[in-house]
Amino acid sequence: DARVTQTPRDKVTEMGQEVTMRCQPILGHNTVFWYRQTMMQGLELLAYFRNRAPLDDSGMPKDRFSAEMPDATLATLKIQPSEPRDSAVYFCASGQLTGGAVTQYFGPGTRLLVL
Amino acid sequence: AQKVTQAQTEISVVEKEDVTLDCVYETRDTTYYLFWYKQPPSGELVFLIRRNSFDEQNEISGRYSWNFQKSTSSFNFTITASQVVDSAVYFCALSEAGYYGGATNKLIFGTGTLLAVQP
Repeated sequence: DARVTQTPRDKVTEMGQEVTMRCQPILGHNTVFWYRQTMMQGLELLAYFRNRAPLDDSGMPKDRFSAEMPDATLATLKIQPSEPRDSAVYFCASGQLTGGAVTQYFGPGTRLLVL
Repeated sequence: AQKVTQAQTEISVVEKEDVTLDCVYETRDTTYYLFWYKQPPSGELVFLIRRNSFDEQNEISGRYSWNFQKSTSSFNFTITASQVVDSAVYFCALSEAGYYGGATNKLIFGTGTLLAVQP
């Protein structure tokens, strides 16, 4: 049963530290999404990639966030420097474009707490 | 602009009751896709169903059923004979159609409905 994996599952860090979250998409999926979920804002799309190329990162604070896909099996989301307001659950999702849409399969999320 | 509204913030039912979760969407596209996801207490978002705008046929999967009505821009989800394991937040989402190039395929999520099934 293929699944999206994310590491770490939980991360506690101090303000100002760099945070790197990793995602392994399902093998064969060519589209990868990063979301952030908070109680106040709900699910927000941060960035997404198709065939490793960034298509849209308009939802991401550019000054501190960066997203990359070094290869087809790894997507990374970095925050530098981290701030308390970045505390949230970060989800990665992957999918394959079929029939005009991408059914997104989500990973378990990384729960980030910035003190 | 695309928008998804889930007006029910929380629903509480007793086990074995039927429950319907409402979803109303807005889009100017003629081709679009609708989804439902389940987020149990463990936190992971689980894909339940995907429908395209040309397929208004209702779908049934076990105790789950979906009613898609373009005339009212609604895509409602019914759980028959609810169980405690159905307790979760349920999200409805909308995606524009796109193939290559400028297609975004982003999901526009509703705010979710928290379903609590009491034993």
